[in-house]
This record gives sequence, structure tokens and C-alpha cells, in this order.
Amino acid sequence: QKEVEQNSGPLSVPEGAIASLNCTYSDRGSQSFFWYRQYSGKSPELIMSIYSNGDKEDGRFTAQLNKASQYVSLLIRDSQPSDSATYLCAVNNEGRRALTFGSGTRLQVQP
Amino acid sequence: DAGVTQSPTHLIKTRGQHVTLRCSPISGHKSVSWYQQVLGQGPQFIFQYYEKEERGRGNFPDRFSARQFPNYSSELNVNALLLGDSALYLCASSLGVSFVLGTEAFFGQGTRLTVV
Repeated sequence: QKEVEQNSGPLSVPEGAIASLNCTYSDRGSQSFFWYRQYSGKSPELIMSIYSNGDKEDGRFTAQLNKASQYVSLLIRDSQPSDSATYLCAVNNEGRRALTFGSGTRLQVQP
Repeated sequence: DAGVTQSPTHLIKTRGQHVTLRCSPISGHKSVSWYQQVLGQGPQFIFQYYEKEERGRGNFPDRFSARQFPNYSSELNVNALLLGDSALYLCASSLGVSFVLGTEAFFGQGTRLTVV
């Protein structure tokens, strides 16, 4: 079992729809959770961080965390073609000095 | 306000050679981490340095080494290059040594290393 699992996709949604990206993790000690966006050939760009159960909203993005279910998700409202990218989920246990990444979900927003 | 800068952006090396990659963190950030990303995978942790000391090491062979300088910039060195070392090498800058509440990692543009 991978430490951080994501569906590789592609997840295809029409422009203006809500895109829902999911991530599960195996380390119950994980305390910090991050979503990065990576365009093809580029480096990861931080979108959201979340540390406690519940929802955290920032513009069109909402991160959701459920530590009991070991599940974190990212919702993108009013999806735009410019949102087409790979979305990486990363988690961290305070005792470790590294972020552990999933393999990413490729999102395609169809105009 | 400069972000994380890495050099060079692209590099082609021959098997068996040595390579040095460089990174300058965001001003005020004292931690630099190195990650390797191969196509289709998420970044894999190589090293973390904080205040010039190694604070974490991933599952990479001893051919990989790094150091951090007094100005918090960092170098990643890879000896005896193998074809499998071809990847995007990413430097991440963060304020502190752990990712507790409010500490986030920001990546540079990466160095694309091709070993032929």
C-alpha cells in the first residue's frame, strides 16, 4: 500500500463544473496536508494547506480533511481550462522531515 | 520578491559523470529540501537541510549528497550518474524544519537532468 494514494485520472470535467480530487493516506500520525498544482513540464505550485478536520476555502478552491477516514480532498468550483494540470496531494508527519506525495491526479477541463 | 531559484534549468550529462545542482531559498527561509521527480510520479524526498545541518534523508544511495551554506543556499551533488538518475530535481524552501501549522514548502522551477 502506498503512503499517499490518488487516482491518476485523467479526470475530465466541463468548464464551469466542480472538480473533485481525492487523496487517501496511510500514516495516522499525519498532521499537515497540502495540495499542489503542477502544469506539464513545470514545478509544483502550492494551492492549499490544511491542518485540522473540516473545510478550508480559498477563492474557488476548498480543501476538506477527515483524519478519522484518512482522507483529504480538493474541490475546484467553476473549473476553467487553465485549471487543467496535475494535482499533487502531500502529507507530513511532524516526526518526519519530508513531504510524502501521491502520484497526482491529472485534471482536464473541457471548454 | 524573489522566490526559490535553481540553477541550471536543464542539464545533459553522460553516465558516470558527476553533477552539482544549486538552490537559493526564499529570503528568510532557513530550510532547503531536495526532491527527485520522475515522469508520472510525485516528488520523492532526498534531503532536508536546516541551519546548515542535515535534518532528514530519504531512501537514496550514497552517490547523492548535499550541503547548505551560511547564506542558506544549497547544493545537491550526484556522483557516478546512472541513466535512472534522469529526472526533475526540485528544491523546496520553507521557514522551519517541520511542517507544523503555518509552515509550507515552496518549490523552485527545478533542474531537468538528462543522463545519456
